[in-house]
Amino acid sequence: AQSVAQPEDQVNVAEGNPLTVKCTYSVSGNPYLFWYVQYPNRGLQFLLKYITGDNLVKGSYGFEAEFNKSQTSFHLKKPSALVSDSALYFCAVSLRYTGGFKTIFGAGTRLFVKA
Amino acid sequence: SQTIHQWPATLVQPVGSPLSLECTVEGTSNPNLYWYRQAAGRGLQLLFYSVGIGQISSEVPQNLSASRPQDRQFILSSKKLLLSDSGFYLCAWSGQGEYYGYTFGSGTRLTVV
Repeated sequence: AQSVAQPEDQVNVAEGNPLTVKCTYSVSGNPYLFWYVQYPNRGLQFLLKYITGDNLVKGSYGFEAEFNKSQTSFHLKKPSALVSDSALYFCAVSLRYTGGFKTIFGAGTRLFVKA
Repeated sequence: SQTIHQWPATLVQPVGSPLSLECTVEGTSNPNLYWYRQAAGRGLQLLFYSVGIGQISSEVPQNLSASRPQDRQFILSSKKLLLSDSGFYLCAWSGQGEYYGYTFGSGTRLTVV
């Protein structure tokens, strides 16, 4: 079965420290990979995506993600966390199938950045 | 630029009452449209998606229905709400391809009492 895993329900990090939010996937074919962020009582916002090319993708708010095909991972990273980065983060995988395409979202990881 | 509007932002409805949530998209044509529900601020559950006017696919059989009367309008409805229908409802649109990503509306917090 095709799936996306975010193995950590919650990640705690001190302000100024680097952060990593993990995402692994299990799909057939070549997926497109996305990260979204959700602030309280708001819709999800697009952060970045990997389509092809350089494995390191840079996105909004200083975030970046590294695509690792051999480990089927797409971890979200930021060199120096801010308190304002505290939010719910979703990894997503989109892939084509006969008749259309499908997007699978991970369960989300809550990031707490402490001042 | 493309924008997505979803309303209302919050809604408190009694059990057994009808529901209508509306979502409209501007600045694009022939979008794919989606309704998701999010329970307790965590994972997303895909309820319905539509690839064109009048074309609705249901992912989870339940007390809800969806309609797409116009290209850029997507409506989520219920004839009789249940307590279990409470949640945060999100509308989203995407282009016709797996590489576009989604743009989400701001969400509707529905509380059934």
